[in-house]
Amino acid sequence: QLQLQESGPGLVKPSETLSLTCTVSGGSISSSSYYWGWVRQPPGKGLEWIGTIYYTGSTDYSPSLKSRVTISVDRSKNQFSLKLSSVTAADTAVYYCARPDTVTLQGAFDIWGQGTMVTVSS
Amino acid sequence: DIQMTQSPSFLSASVGDSVTITCRASQSISNYLNWYQQKPGKAPELLIYAASSLQSGVPSRFSGGGSGTGFTLTISSLQPEDFVTYYCQQTYSPPRTFGQGTKVEIK
Repeated sequence: QLQLQESGPGLVKPSETLSLTCTVSGGSISSSSYYWGWVRQPPGKGLEWIGTIYYTGSTDYSPSLKSRVTISVDRSKNQFSLKLSSVTAADTAVYYCARPDTVTLQGAFDIWGQGTMVTVSS
Repeated sequence: DIQMTQSPSFLSASVGDSVTITCRASQSISNYLNWYQQKPGKAPELLIYAASSLQSGVPSRFSGGGSGTGFTLTISSLQPEDFVTYYCQQTYSPPRTFGQGTKVEIK
């Protein structure tokens, strides 16, 4: 059974880069036809789609974050990562990694990590 | 970007009631619409995909409908564990935006 687990610093200073990793277990990240993605949720607010990466490395990003975000895959470690540069307090949120199933579920996120809280503060 | 608008934002109901949440897209998204349930402090869980298909393991009291720009999530016979927050999401085109959420509260 596929599982996702986020990891990374819980505190990031303003203007620095937020870096999170999602470890995939129970399956290979290199499985064809699957995307991998990130979603965030500021405290008390709704869900925000950040972006996705295809197993080939092709990416889609939210236009509002595109200039600051990078999603990448490390096949050797069965992980994918999120980097968000020049962070401000507005980037404080729970960050979820998730898998959008484009094979059978029209891209719905069917598998989610538990989420990790990242606070931007000096 | 495709904007997703959910209504209502808050809904009060009683155990056993049937409720409907609406999600409207700013342009046609065919049936590329999903519904999620989120319990406090937990990751969202997929309820409905492709507008009306029930995700495996989800109780049959949840149902979805609609196409184009208008969609609904209906919960028949609300159970105590259903009083949480629901989100719609379009996966027609990137950015794959979510609605703002609907919190279902106990009356």
